[in-house]
Order: sequence, then structure tokens, then C-alpha cells
Amino acid sequence: GAGVSQSPSNKVTEKGKDVELRCDPISGHTALYWYRQSLGQGLEFLIYFQGNSAPDKSGLPSDRFSAERTGGSVSTLTIQRTQQEDSAVYLCASSSPPNTQYFGPGTRLTVL
Amino acid sequence: AQRVTQPEKLLSVFKGAPVELKCNYSYSGSPELFWYVQYSRQRLQLLLRHISRESIKGFTADLNKGETSFHLKKPFAQEEDSAMYYCALRALNLILTGGGNKLTFGTGTQLKVEL
Repeated sequence: GAGVSQSPSNKVTEKGKDVELRCDPISGHTALYWYRQSLGQGLEFLIYFQGNSAPDKSGLPSDRFSAERTGGSVSTLTIQRTQQEDSAVYLCASSSPPNTQYFGPGTRLTVL
Repeated sequence: AQRVTQPEKLLSVFKGAPVELKCNYSYSGSPELFWYVQYSRQRLQLLLRHISRESIKGFTADLNKGETSFHLKKPFAQEEDSAMYYCALRALNLILTGGGNKLTFGTGTQLKVEL
């Protein structure tokens, strides 16, 4: 079946602009996660959704970062007023808790 | 808070040689440990989890609570094993208390198997 999909695959933006990253989880998966993969930093947890609510937002690095999930499916991660340090690969994962998390291909964000 | 440490950024071995990728963790509660692998130009995928106690692609990993380690081992490395390997921890206590099952990852080890 279809796996987790993310769009766009690559995004280049200018410092100060807003960006939206999209994640389509595996159908039926109630849990959705966002992670960030930075050079030399490994993968950092950003936010977790169970259904449409986000019980754990502890990994969001600043109030410029926000995320929402609608209909228990698609999620959007929004970064406002992007900075160069936001450049990273943003990964989305979904699961049917407490089972294995399946990862998407990621969105590579470059902030110039 | 939980923490996962992978001390080696790069591990280079010859084909047929044994491989051991190190992973240490710190967490005061009950952890669940995983190894994820990312092959070139592919997405991150689960390799194995300590609860399953199985061997995948010849790899095994044993959770050692005394040493707080979960090292990944393979007796004979193959060229196709070349990839980035991440150790990850899930805090079981948080799951039971509704805190979700986010993964805490190490910084990864790049395994290069040379001919």
C-alpha cells in the first residue's frame, strides 16, 4: 500500500519568508509525528499528533513553528519568518500506536 | 529526559569483517530501543527493535540494561550494508501515561563497507 508522502520534496526560500510543509500519513494511522534532520544533529522530535490534537509540542524550537492536522489525516508544518538555521530535512512519520513509526521521504528546506 | 549516544560518526570496515555499531542511552524509566537504517536516497526505515529479539538482514542487537547499551552487530559485513544507522529510544512510561511514543534518536553512524 501507499506509504507516508510529503510535499514538496525540496523547498528553497529566502530568509524571512513563510513556508508550509505537507504530510500525508498512511491511511488509518492515528498518530503523526514531525522530526527535523539537521547536519550533525541527528533527528530531533518536533511535534506529535494523536488524531487532530497535539498532546506533545515540546520539540518545536520557537513560536515561529506551528503545525496542524485536519480530519485526522493530512498535517501541515508551518515555519514563519524563516531563518538560515531552519535549513534541514523535515521528516514526517505515522503509526497506529504503539506500533512502528513509518517515515516519509522528507522535505529538504533550504533558507537562503 | 532521555538521551541516545552514538559515539562513532563513521565506521569503515572491510567486506566479511564483523561490524559493531555502538549505542548507549540514558533514561530513568523503561525504554524501548530501536535501530533505524537509511540507505542512500531512500527513506528512514526500521531495522529492528529490542522487543522483537529477532535478526534482520543478519543484524542483531541486545538490550543491556546494566550497561545501558543497545549495540548493533553483524558477524560478516556485506557491501549492501553501507548506510546510515540511527539508534532510537521510546519512553514506555510516557506511552502508559498518554505522553505519546515519540522517538529520541542518536546522531547516527555512517557505515561504509569496503571491498
